[in-house]
Amino acid sequence: GNSVTQMEGPVTLSEEAFLTINCTYTATGYPSLFWYVQYPGEGLQLLLKATKADDKGSNKGFEATYRKETTSFHLEKGSVQVSDSAVYFCALHGSSNTGKLIFGQGTTLQVKP
Amino acid sequence: EAGVVQSPRYKIIEKKQPVAFWCNPISGHNTLYWYLQNLGQGPELLIRYENEEAVDDSQLPKDRFSAERLKGVDSTLKIQPAELGDSAVYLCASSRYGTREGAGELFFGEGSRLTVL
Repeated sequence: GNSVTQMEGPVTLSEEAFLTINCTYTATGYPSLFWYVQYPGEGLQLLLKATKADDKGSNKGFEATYRKETTSFHLEKGSVQVSDSAVYFCALHGSSNTGKLIFGQGTTLQVKP
Repeated sequence: EAGVVQSPRYKIIEKKQPVAFWCNPISGHNTLYWYLQNLGQGPELLIRYENEEAVDDSQLPKDRFSAERLKGVDSTLKIQPAELGDSAVYLCASSRYGTREGAGELFFGEGSRLTVL
């Protein structure tokens, strides 16, 4: 079945450092891929998405490119801020139209000033 | 636009007691989801509704869990009786799209954190 694997955290960075959070997936067909973020004390919210191969999703300085050849959707940001400290979830929505969104286990990012 | 509203935010009960969680989705969102999130894990789908119909409840432990979405708007998730292993965060989410184009774009509530003693 479909699945998502994320790099384990926590990831601890200094402010203005470069961020990469790895995400790989297993799926049949052509899934849509998402990154959700959960700030402390808040609900999950959609950060960015990509619906087909080679698409790049971007938002708030974060980017991720849908790489079908490597089945990956790594999250990147060139310069992190303390306010980016949160838990990041990679997620997949299969192309079989089941309506089911499958999440990775989440990666905690802590940015220190 | 008001977001997804869940209550209660926190609930502490003793094992074998019943508990219920309530969710009010975003207006106009026909698809409603209940997810379970264990500590340090990603959310896992319990049940998905399209309007008032439960279209995917394959992951719902039906011996103790039940859910309803009367009139296709608000939803209630119930556990009876609760067990120690049910301690988790119960997330409600809604979507305008369901399985159509744009599916996967969910709006989540803040969750209901359950502690079973």
